[in-house]
Amino acid sequence: DTGVSQNPRHKITKRGQNVTFRCDPISEHNRLYWYRQTLGQGPEFLTYFQNEAQLEKSRLLSDRFSAERPKGSFSTLEIQRTEQGDSAMYLCASSQPGQNYEQYFGPGTRLTVT
Amino acid sequence: GEDVEQSLFLSVREGDSSVINCTYTDSSSTYLYWYKQEPGAGLQLLTYIFSNMDMKQDQRLTVLLNKKDKHLSLRIADTQTGDSAIYFCAEKNGLFFGTGTRLTVIP
Repeated sequence: DTGVSQNPRHKITKRGQNVTFRCDPISEHNRLYWYRQTLGQGPEFLTYFQNEAQLEKSRLLSDRFSAERPKGSFSTLEIQRTEQGDSAMYLCASSQPGQNYEQYFGPGTRLTVT
Repeated sequence: GEDVEQSLFLSVREGDSSVINCTYTDSSSTYLYWYKQEPGAGLQLLTYIFSNMDMKQDQRLTVLLNKKDKHLSLRIADTQTGDSAIYFCAEKNGLFFGTGTRLTVIP
């Protein structure tokens, strides 16, 4: 297994456009997490799934953000009507139950909104 | 997130010990974590501690947990230049991260 993968690695978009990112977790991991990280800050929790169920969503998460994990494997994060403040690194992680919630992170998708 | 606080910068000389501190807020955290992030690289789990422990040692790393004060620390013995990175603590079973401490090791 090559670990958590994210696509694309970089995305440049114009303000107002919609973007979608994909995360493929480690295959036997049933938990999948999304975070956002801006320069000089720690990862900010967005949401997480156990299998296909979205168990928790940050109260800070705008309605423009939506995440899915339809078959309990890969996940997508969509941002509608992007704003310049959405520019950040979007990180995905996965974990396996019974493993101390240890999360394995992907390389991230860097979003730039112009 | 959730007011997990860390000092922003720490500089040490190669061979000295480094101590990185973290104050967290969620008393229900079963596990608390330390992650390392090197420039251009992803987050890497360094170590974790179960909430019913006071101390955990793992080679050059020692984690101390004071649940009463909600204080977590990471000690790196014999710090090397390769330890230069940003270190994050995380609470609530890994959901909420501190702002990170940038460790610079001076040769």
